[in-house]
Amino acid sequence: AQSVTQPDIHITVSEGASLELRCNYSYGATPYLFWYVQSPGQGLQLLLKYFSGDTLVQGIKGFEAEFKRSQSSFNLRKPSVHWSDAAEYFCAVGALGAAGNKLTFGGGTRVLVKP
Amino acid sequence: NAGVMQNPRHLVRRRGQEARLRCSPMKGHSHVYWYRQLPEEGLKFMVYLQKENIIDESGMPKERFSAEFPKEGPSILRIQQVVRGDSAAYFCASSPGTGENSPLHFGNGTRLTVT
Repeated sequence: AQSVTQPDIHITVSEGASLELRCNYSYGATPYLFWYVQSPGQGLQLLLKYFSGDTLVQGIKGFEAEFKRSQSSFNLRKPSVHWSDAAEYFCAVGALGAAGNKLTFGGGTRVLVKP
Repeated sequence: NAGVMQNPRHLVRRRGQEARLRCSPMKGHSHVYWYRQLPEEGLKFMVYLQKENIIDESGMPKERFSAEFPKEGPSILRIQQVVRGDSAAYFCASSPGTGENSPLHFGNGTRLTVT
């Protein structure tokens, strides 16, 4: 069975500082990996995804993530955080195919941005 | 092109009442997924439907919960005889098909409160 672990429940970062959110997954085959962001009271917005190819993936809002198969990780990074990045971030692994595009989500990391 | 529309945004029910949550997928999308987010947790898959068919309901509680996606109209998630533990945010996602070229688009969710 697939699973996703986000070890950090909360992270506080100063505006302008760098941010890294950890994600570890367990999956029996080549994973499809995603990062979503959820602002308070809102739905999920896709930041980026990894299917194959280059292991460093660029996303929206200045985010990037690196797939490391040897570590079963897909960490999200941003070099300089803006106050508007305060939100909850979810890592997900997916089984994409004829049986549907079902995602398994981690528990989320809530990011607080200090001025 | 409107996104995934969920209504109501907020729903309050007393214990024992029924809750009906509606999801209108994006235009051209015939695949719908329902997820539940309990407080302080990630999203958990409930059910996957295509038009008029339930494909995967492995995440759906065996009792009181049902889902449908009729030929015409929105997908409905129905919870009978609600209990306090049903209080959660329920998210719907839609996609045009399956596989890598069919990303999930999420709605803003329905927040159910059972009093």
